[in-house]
Amino acid sequence: EAGVTQSPTHLIKTRGQQATLRCSPISGHTSVYWYQQALGLGLQFLLWYDEGEERNRGNFPPRFSGRQFPNYSSELNVNALELEDSALYLCASSLVVAGVGEQYFGPGTRLTVT
Amino acid sequence: AQTVTQSQPEMSVQEAETVTLSCTYDTSESDYYLFWYKQPPSRQMILVIRQEAYKQQNATENRFSVNFQKAAKSFSLKISDSQLGDAAMYFCAYRSAYTYLTYKYIFGTGTRLKVLA
Repeated sequence: EAGVTQSPTHLIKTRGQQATLRCSPISGHTSVYWYQQALGLGLQFLLWYDEGEERNRGNFPPRFSGRQFPNYSSELNVNALELEDSALYLCASSLVVAGVGEQYFGPGTRLTVT
Repeated sequence: AQTVTQSQPEMSVQEAETVTLSCTYDTSESDYYLFWYKQPPSRQMILVIRQEAYKQQNATENRFSVNFQKAAKSFSLKISDSQLGDAAMYFCAYRSAYTYLTYKYIFGTGTRLKVLA
C-alpha cells in the first residue's frame, strides 16, 4: 500500500512570492492534515481537511490556506511569503471511524524563503 | 489547552544499551491517546508506539516500551538494545479521544537521539 506522498521535496522561493505544496493521502483516507515544522519548534498544526471541507485551522494567518480535491488529495498555499515561513511542511492522512484515526505522515516539503 | 513538554533536546546512548526519553503533558481531559513518533534524517515521521489513556498496561513494541504514569502526566519511552538505526528525532504527541477533536495532535519539541558505536 502506498503511503502519503508530498511534492515537491524542496521548494525555494523569495519573499513575497506564493508557494503551493501538494499532498496525496493513503488510498481510502478522507482526512488530510497539514503541519509546519520550524527548527526547534516541533510540529505546529496548520489545517485539517475532511471530505473536501476545511474542518479546522491552527493559529496561523489567513495567507496560509488550502483545499482538498474530490480525490482527497490536498494542496497548501502560502501567499506573501515571509522569511519565517521557511520550514518543513508535513502532510498526514487518516480515516476517522468512530473517533479513532491514526495519522500517517508523508516525507514533507522543505520550503526555503530567501 | 493541552501541552506536551520534552525537556531533553538531545540524548546519547551507546549501541546495545538502554535509553529513556522523557515526556510530560498537561490536560484536563480524562480520555486521550499518547504517541511516540520517530523522525530519521529522511524526515518521514514513523509511529513508534501508542498508548490509550484508559489502559493501565504500558504499551510495548519489540524493543520499545513506555512508562505511562497517568496521575503524574508522564509518558516516557524506553529503547532497549539500542541500534544505530534508532538514531533520529523522537517526538511525543497527544491526541484527544473525543471525536470532534480527533484532528488535533499536539507535539513536543522533540529529543534528538544519537547512538554511539
